[in-house]
Amino acid sequence: ELKVEQNPLFLSMQEGKNYTIYCNYSTTSDRLYWYRQDPGKSLESLFVLLSNGAVKQEGRLMASLDTKARLSTLHITAAVHDLSATYFCAVAPNTGNQFYFGTGTSLTVIP
Amino acid sequence: DSGVTQTPKHLITATGQRVTLRCSPRSGDLSVYWYQQSLDQGLQFLIQYYNGEERAKGNILERFSAQQFPDLHSELNLSSLELGDSALYFCASSPSRDPRTNEQFFGPGTRLTVL
Repeated sequence: ELKVEQNPLFLSMQEGKNYTIYCNYSTTSDRLYWYRQDPGKSLESLFVLLSNGAVKQEGRLMASLDTKARLSTLHITAAVHDLSATYFCAVAPNTGNQFYFGTGTSLTVIP
Repeated sequence: DSGVTQTPKHLITATGQRVTLRCSPRSGDLSVYWYQQSLDQGLQFLIQYYNGEERAKGNILERFSAQQFPDLHSELNLSSLELGDSALYFCASSPSRDPRTNEQFFGPGTRLTVL
C-alpha cells in the first residue's frame, strides 16, 4: 500500500515568517495534490502537480514536486493569520485514481 | 462550494444500527469516491465508483457497502455500527474528461456519531 508521510504534524509560526511543509511518499507516482481543511469543514483543493519538477504558486503558497525523490513541498511565504488551517497532501498511484493522504499539518499563524 | 452535495450533515445513531449516507457528484462527473476521516486513522480511501461500476476498493470494512445509481448519485451503507465507526465521511467526485488530472472535489461531509 502506498504510504504518505507529512511533516511536521503541527506548525506554529509567526506572521511574516516563511516555512515549508514536506510530503514524502513510498511508491512511484507523478500525481500529487495539496488540500486545505478548516476546522469542521471540507477539503479545498489548492494545487494539482502532475509531473516531475512541477511548481505551482497561488498567493503566499507555492507547491513543488520531485518524483525522483518522491517528495513534494508546500512553501509558505510571509505567513498571515488567514493561512491557519490543516494542510494535506494526497498521492494517486500510477495504477489508479484513489487518493492516499498524508497525516496532515496543522498550521497556526500567530500575530 | 465544490458542487458535491452530501446528506445528511450529521447523523447520531446507536451501536448495531444501520445508516445510509448519500452523495450527489458535480454535474457531469462520473467518478465518485468515498473517504473516511477519523482522529486515529486520518483520511482513508474507502471505495470508488465510475459510471455505476465499482472501480477500486480501499480499506472498506465488510460491514460497509456502496453503490452508484444511474443518475450518478451514490450511497454508502454502514451496518452493524460500532463506536469506532464514528467519523467524518466524505464523498468526492472528479471530472471524466481528463482522467489523468483526476482533481477530486470534496463534499461537505457527513459526521457520523455512534453512541
